[in-house]
Parts: sequence; C-alpha cells; structure tokens
Amino acid sequence: DTEVTQTPKHLVMGMTNKKSLKCEQHMGHRAMYWYKQKAKKPPELMFVYSYEKLSINESVPSRFSPECPNSSLLNLHLHALQPEDSALYLCASRTLARADEQFFGPGTRLTVL
Amino acid sequence: LAKTTQPISMDSYEGQEVNITCSHNNIATNDYITWYQQFPSQGPRFIIQGYKTKVTNEVASLFIPADRKSSTLSLPRVSLSDTAVYYCLVGGNYGGSQGNLIFGKGTKLSVKP
Repeated sequence: DTEVTQTPKHLVMGMTNKKSLKCEQHMGHRAMYWYKQKAKKPPELMFVYSYEKLSINESVPSRFSPECPNSSLLNLHLHALQPEDSALYLCASRTLARADEQFFGPGTRLTVL
Repeated sequence: LAKTTQPISMDSYEGQEVNITCSHNNIATNDYITWYQQFPSQGPRFIIQGYKTKVTNEVASLFIPADRKSSTLSLPRVSLSDTAVYYCLVGGNYGGSQGNLIFGKGTKLSVKP
C-alpha cells in the first residue's frame, strides 16, 4: 500500500463549527505533514510530526490543532475558522530511514462560510 | 533551507522535449534536489530526485552540474497530460523529518496539441 488517504474530500463549515480532517498511511512512514494550499499558490507547510511528536509548527494560528494518535494517523482539528482559511489541505508522509520523497494525499477542499 | 527560483510558466507542444531549470545558489552540501508534479486540486506527485550529475527514471531525467547551483528537469516527448505545475525543492534528507519541505513558486507547464 503506497497511498496516503485523506477524508473528507470536501468540507464546508461555518465559522463557529468544529470539524476535523483525517489523514492515514500504512507505509510505515514516521514523518507526517500538513500543508495548506491556496488557489494558484504553492503548498505552505503547517506542521511536521516525527515519530508521533510535533517537531515543526510554522506559526500556525491556534484555531488549527494537529494530532497524531499513532504512527499511521494524522488529524487536523479545526475550530472558529475564518473565510480566508478556505483552501486545499494536503497531508504527506515520508520515511525517516533514508533520503526519500514525500507521498502526498489527494487533499481536503475546505470552504469556510 | 535553500531558496529556489524557476520560470513562472512554459509552453510546449506535444512530442517535444521540455527542460525546466531551477536555480538554487545557496544549496548546502547535504541537500538533495527533488521535483514534484501537481495537477489542479490534487496532491503533488514525486517525479525525480538527485544529488549530483544525472539521474534518469521512467518519466524524466534530472541534470545537475558539478557546482549544484542549478538543476534541469527534462521531460521527453511531452503529451497533453503533462500540463501541470512542476516544483523544484532543495533540502537535506538524512534521516530527519526536515526533508524537502518548502515549495517554491513552481513552473506552470502548458502543453498544446
């Protein structure tokens, strides 16, 4: 299995809602990432988890809360988002054992009303 | 992390060879060079990675001169389905989670019939 899956594919939420994005991989990768991508822009790194511990937080607002419950699963909890947070949210994973590429999921298209 | 510079856009015709050059003047000794392809509303997909000289796989070649301050992605005989954004990333991958994380602006390749 060489796939990163993300659910849901699409999400529409109001500014007072609480929702979560889910990412899963079964490749044994011990590094997992969240990126945010606005239209016609490159992906921007948000968070990095290494061995289930948060290793990088790129000054992301606290309304985004990541969680890594185990080595296969990565969540992004959303609360009190703003319309400008609407974007494609991408999850990625990679092995830490050697120089290797990141495997990206298909993304969750988030719309905040 | 080394900054990369690529052309914003390129046009080509089906069947032609396309070469996209990326500048990375402050590349570090441990840095690898990695290229990704991204279609609209999808996650980036790994194309090729190299450290020096030339690397070839089934979809592309990567040429890296001796000074490693630039690299060229070569796509042989492009087709309409190669229309996408191509990103060049530079970073270290030695057993750490801080691999190729920062995306530059990318090159939008348009292939015409």
